[in-house]
Amino acid sequence: DVKVTQSSRYLVKRTGEKVFLECVQDMDHENMFWYRQDPGLGLRLIYFSYDVKMKEKGDIPEGYSVSREKKERFSLILESASTNQTSMYLCASSDGQEGYTFGSGTRLTVV
Amino acid sequence: DQQVKQNSPSLSVQEGRISILNCDYTNSMFDYFLWYKKYPAEGPTFLISISSIKDKNEDGRFTVFLNKSAKHLSLHIVPSQPGDSAVYFCAASSLYNFNKFYFGSGTKLNVKP
Repeated sequence: DVKVTQSSRYLVKRTGEKVFLECVQDMDHENMFWYRQDPGLGLRLIYFSYDVKMKEKGDIPEGYSVSREKKERFSLILESASTNQTSMYLCASSDGQEGYTFGSGTRLTVV
Repeated sequence: DQQVKQNSPSLSVQEGRISILNCDYTNSMFDYFLWYKKYPAEGPTFLISISSIKDKNEDGRFTVFLNKSAKHLSLHIVPSQPGDSAVYFCAASSLYNFNKFYFGSGTKLNVKP
C-alpha cells in the first residue's frame, strides 16, 4: 500500500525553537507539498517541490523553509517557532496524474 | 483571495437521507476537481474526482456534479451513514498547472443515527 509518512503525530515546542517536520513517501512521486490546516481556513499551501533540491513558495511561506535532498523526503523547517504556527501540518505527494496522497498529519503546538 | 470556496462550514443530516455538499470556484481555467474526506487526526483521503469534460461522476453512494457555467460543483451522498461524518474538502486544478491543487475551507458533515 502506498504511503506518505510523517515522522510525528503530535509535537509540542517552545517559542523560538527550530522545528523540523519530516515527510517520506514511497511512491517515487516527483511532487511533494506541505500544507497547514486551520479551522475555517482549510488547507493552505506552504511550500512545494517538483524535484530534488527544487522548491517553490506556496501561499503562506513566511516563517517556514523546506529541504528536499532526496526524492522521497521533504522536510518543513520552522526557523523560530511562534505561537501562530500552532496548527495541523499535512504533507502530500503526487505524480501529477490524479490528486494527492496525504500523510496522517502532525499536530504542532507552540507554547 | 480564495479561488475555491465552500460556504457552508457545517452540515447536519439524518442517517439514510441525502447529504449535499457544495463548492464554488472562481478560476475558469480549473478543469479537474476532487473531493477529499478527512477524519480528525488523520490526513485527507481521496474520495471522488471529475474532469470538465463530464458533468457527473458516480462511485457507489457518492456522486459529484459539475456545473461549469456556474463554476459550481456538488457532492451528493446517498444514503448518508454515520461513518460519513467527517470534514469534506473540494479541490481544483488546471491542466496547465496540474500539479497544484487549490482547496476549499472544508465542510464538516455530521450524520445523525
